Amino acid sequence: DTAVSQTPKYLVTQMGNDKSIKCEQNLGHDTMYWYKQDSKKFLKIMFSYNNKELIINETVPNRFSPKSPDKAHLNLHINSLELGDSAVYFCASSQADSSSGYTFGSGTRLTVV
Amino acid sequence: KQEVTQIPAALSVPEGENLVLNCSFTDSAIYNLQWFRQDPGKGLTSLLLIQSSQREQTSGRLNASLDKSSGRSTLYIAASQPGDSATYLCAAGGTGNQFYFGTGTSLTVIP
Repeated sequence: DTAVSQTPKYLVTQMGNDKSIKCEQNLGHDTMYWYKQDSKKFLKIMFSYNNKELIINETVPNRFSPKSPDKAHLNLHINSLELGDSAVYFCASSQADSSSGYTFGSGTRLTVV
Repeated sequence: KQEVTQIPAALSVPEGENLVLNCSFTDSAIYNLQWFRQDPGKGLTSLLLIQSSQREQTSGRLNASLDKSSGRSTLYIAASQPGDSATYLCAAGGTGNQFYFGTGTSLTVIP
């Protein structure tokens, strides 16, 4: 029944490593997103994908790359992890016109040591 | 660029009290506005979604209003309960499917 699911829930890794976070939605939504929530709890959009096309990229370092094999999945790959990448990453989805609002996943807490 | 502000940043009330959370946005050209609840260490749960053509939405003890012209939305919680303790976030939906989030209001309801 889970609408937007992301894995893993927790991820602890060393600086310099490459890691991926997976996201899947079963709502039939057209657009998926990745948000980063920093230590001050502020949510900032990183990417959105609509029909396999990137439509938003808010000055995110190119070490971060979204990968969408189909419209139900949007995975986040991070290369050469840095301490400052530690945060909670949320996946979300919506209809293309966002008329029904966003549905969020439960988040992935990434800790870089 | 859209900027969303929530006041107050934190609020503590005794159980049973009615309360109002405020959200303001700088660009009135929004498509909709959504209120979320976030419990500690958890994801975001959608509470209410107001389309730009609507003035308010209600769900149980929650009522959200929208005044686009003044760039304001309020979330009214009636008869607050300890289980309402959480961080409440508003998000303004603009062009390109982009939602801009406020900084949140941390609510504590004291039994």
